Amino acid sequence: AQKVTQAQTEISVVEKEDVTLDCVYETRDTTYYLFWYKQPPSGELVFLIRRNSFDEQNEISGRYSWNFQKSTSSFNFTITASQVVDSAVYFCALSDLYNQGGKLIFGQGTELSVKP
Amino acid sequence: DADVTQTPRNRITKTGKRIMLECSQTKGHDRMYWYRQDPGLGLRLIYYSFDVKDINKGEISDGYSVSRQAQAKFSLSLESAIPNQTALYFCATRRGTSDGEQFFGPGTRLTVL
Repeated sequence: AQKVTQAQTEISVVEKEDVTLDCVYETRDTTYYLFWYKQPPSGELVFLIRRNSFDEQNEISGRYSWNFQKSTSSFNFTITASQVVDSAVYFCALSDLYNQGGKLIFGQGTELSVKP
Repeated sequence: DADVTQTPRNRITKTGKRIMLECSQTKGHDRMYWYRQDPGLGLRLIYYSFDVKDINKGEISDGYSVSRQAQAKFSLSLESAIPNQTALYFCATRRGTSDGEQFFGPGTRLTVL
């Protein structure tokens, strides 16, 4: 079955700490895409990154970095030197390209709280 | 202007009322989706549409119906709202042949009393 698991329901850190959000996925497909979204308190979903199953290179964007490891079916997200503005719910998602119109399968979300 | 818009953004209604949530997009995408978000459950698919004449149920379609009035418009209806339909609802679009990325509207927060 296609599934995304974000085992960390809530994480609380103090500003400037590094924090890693875990994402583990299950899929039967050889071609798939993984995503991270941020949901700030205002509620909208903000796209952060897309990674395809054939590209295992890690990616860095400013304070954000992503570690994709097919061997462990993980796509973890690290925020370096966290800031209060990083406080949000973060979702990992997997594209189900061949079922239900190519829907996205979301994890349960990790609520990150960054305290000053 | 936003590529995917949803109206209303917030709605409070009573049990048994009929309510419609609307979604419009200017991205020219064929595929449109409705998801609902509940705390601790992530987003789950309600309905999806490949085009105006192709509408399909998702994981949790019971109690909902949809209408694809045009390529750009996809509406979600609750025929007789119930309290457990209180949730945050998102509309999304996607190109027909693409890398799976979906573009989300800002969400509609629905409360059923």
